Amino acid sequence: NAGVTQTPKFQVLKTGQSMTLQCAQDMNHNSMYWYRQDPGMGLRLIYYSASEGTTDKGEVPNGYNVSRLNKREFSLRLESAAPSQTSVYFCASSEMGRHNEKLFFGSGTQLSVL
Amino acid sequence: AQSVTQLDSHVSVSEGTPVLLRCNYSSSYSPSLFWYVQHPNKGLQLLLKYTSAATLVKGINGFEAEFKKSETSFHLTKPSAHMSDAAEYFCVVSEEAAGNKLTFGGGTRVLVKP
Repeated sequence: NAGVTQTPKFQVLKTGQSMTLQCAQDMNHNSMYWYRQDPGMGLRLIYYSASEGTTDKGEVPNGYNVSRLNKREFSLRLESAAPSQTSVYFCASSEMGRHNEKLFFGSGTQLSVL
Repeated sequence: AQSVTQLDSHVSVSEGTPVLLRCNYSSSYSPSLFWYVQHPNKGLQLLLKYTSAATLVKGINGFEAEFKKSETSFHLTKPSAHMSDAAEYFCVVSEEAAGNKLTFGGGTRVLVKP
């Protein structure tokens, strides 16, 4: 049971470099999410996709772009990385995207921008 | 607007003693409330959720939480801590008016002493 799979697990970038974080789920869920986790701040929503073909901004979307490639995959791109984007990034999915629904999380990507 | 405050950033307990993690929320409407747990280097896992049914909610691994509307609280408890309970715990609030978005507390890190 893979669940939600994120790659890579660790990444170090220099300021200005670009990269894409990959996320895939095998539970046939409709909704997918990208969060960032910073110490003492809990998780903050970057972007989400309520269903295949749709994406919407969350609380902290600046500096990021997303692509819902198909129902399984939801990628997060940093076009020009900045030190403020040093964080742990989590992908999550849920069956229908309702407000009281259980989220399933990947194990995270630890990103450092120097 | 919804918000959530976890009153303790760190809690230290001895194995076999009770655990209490405190959470206060603010919500304009009837909220859904969750507790998630994050073990080291892992993604978040749902412990329990409240969705306007019974005010005492039982979750996995012996945890339970009580919704108290008059106190706007949703504290998490466990009668007897186990070493495997050492983790970070997040209280989360959601309401339909916020469009399926979750708001996370800052987290409480639990240390269990043998």
